[in-house]
Amino acid sequence: NAGVTQTPKFRVLKTGQSMTLLCAQDMNHEYMYWYRQDPGMGLRLIHYSVGEGTTAKGEVPDGYNVSRLKKQNFLLGLESAAPSQTSVYFCASSYLSQVDGYTFGSGTRLTVV
Amino acid sequence: GENVEQHPSTLSVQEGDSAVIKCTYSDSASNYFPWYKQELGKGPQLIIDIRSNVGEKKDQRIAVTLNKTAKHFSLHITETQPEDSAVYFCAASIYNNDMRFGAGTRLTVKP
Repeated sequence: NAGVTQTPKFRVLKTGQSMTLLCAQDMNHEYMYWYRQDPGMGLRLIHYSVGEGTTAKGEVPDGYNVSRLKKQNFLLGLESAAPSQTSVYFCASSYLSQVDGYTFGSGTRLTVV
Repeated sequence: GENVEQHPSTLSVQEGDSAVIKCTYSDSASNYFPWYKQELGKGPQLIIDIRSNVGEKKDQRIAVTLNKTAKHFSLHITETQPEDSAVYFCAASIYNNDMRFGAGTRLTVKP
């Protein structure tokens, strides 16, 4: 049972480049989330999805887009990367039935130069 | 929205001692309070959680207490071991999509 898998694990982008981060979960979870983690700021929610075909903005959505075409996959896109988007990105998932703990992936370390 | 504050930001203890991390939250409607442990290079992992209808919960060497009146909750680790060294995050939420995390506590257990 793989849980939540994120790809890639590391990436370096030049300012203005675009990229997509992929998150896949095999637990049949309805909810999926994208967080960014910056030193001293904990985890901040970028976007989330409550099911296939749905997405919603979180706390810090600017500069990012997401898509959930399949229940098991949640994609995070950066259309035009900026140095301020240098961060560690975590995907997580959870059940719908009640508020419950999240299962996190191992993260993607992104550096924008 | 919910605001979660976590203290201390760093904590160093001797192996075998106890460690306590404290969090406060702002929204009295919050009803779910998880704690996550993040080891170097890995994602956060849920270690224990508590719901608002319970005042204390234990799981072996870890325990969490909740004071709804004061809007604070704490993580207690007893008989600390070097493998407890990690960053610990508290969080609070009402619904699945509004979980807010504290800034984290870096715990170091010295052998």
